[in-house]
Amino acid sequence: DAGVTQSPTHLIKTRGQQVTLRCSPKSGHDTVSWYQQALGQGPQFIFQYYEEEERQRGNFPDRFSGHQFPNYSSELNVNALLLGDSALYLCASSLVLWALGEAFFGQGTRLTVV
Amino acid sequence: SQQGEEDPQALSIQEGENATMNCSYKTSINNLQWYRQNSGRGLVHLILIRSNEREKHSGRLRVTLDTSKKSSSLLITASRAADTASYFCATEAVSVQGAQKLVFGQGTRLTINP
Repeated sequence: DAGVTQSPTHLIKTRGQQVTLRCSPKSGHDTVSWYQQALGQGPQFIFQYYEEEERQRGNFPDRFSGHQFPNYSSELNVNALLLGDSALYLCASSLVLWALGEAFFGQGTRLTVV
Repeated sequence: SQQGEEDPQALSIQEGENATMNCSYKTSINNLQWYRQNSGRGLVHLILIRSNEREKHSGRLRVTLDTSKKSSSLLITASRAADTASYFCATEAVSVQGAQKLVFGQGTRLTINP
């Protein structure tokens, strides 16, 4: 059973560019959350998708947007990249919106903005 | 902003010794989870303790939760070199929209010396 997969693993972009990161949830999971982890910090919640809708959003600007597809996979888009967007982006999937339990994380995408 | 504060920020011990990490948080929670992260990659779920539980064990791991003090501790017994990693506590609260959101601390970097 494949766990959470993210692509690409590494990415280098220039300031002002746009980037799309992808996530496939663990088999059977229907909820995808995205987190940003700056170097030396804990992950910070960006937003969560369930039934192809954004259910909750953290304290991130509108430059960060997402999408969930009918097969539950998800994309994170960041527009007008800033140097401060350099971070590890983590995707987490879970089974049911109202279930309180562990989240399964992917290996992350390391984004470097130069 | 981070919900939790981990203490210590870094811990270095000899193989075979026990390692204790502490986490404090600010708001009411449904549960508290501990995750491990190796070399800045994906997070691995270790253990979840619900707000009505006081102690939980899993192998060499022991977690305590004191909701009156809003604090938790993670004890790793008989440490091994493979335990070298960053450890994060994460609290979970359900929003009015029903979305799960994990709020992480800044982590404890644990080094096990051979």
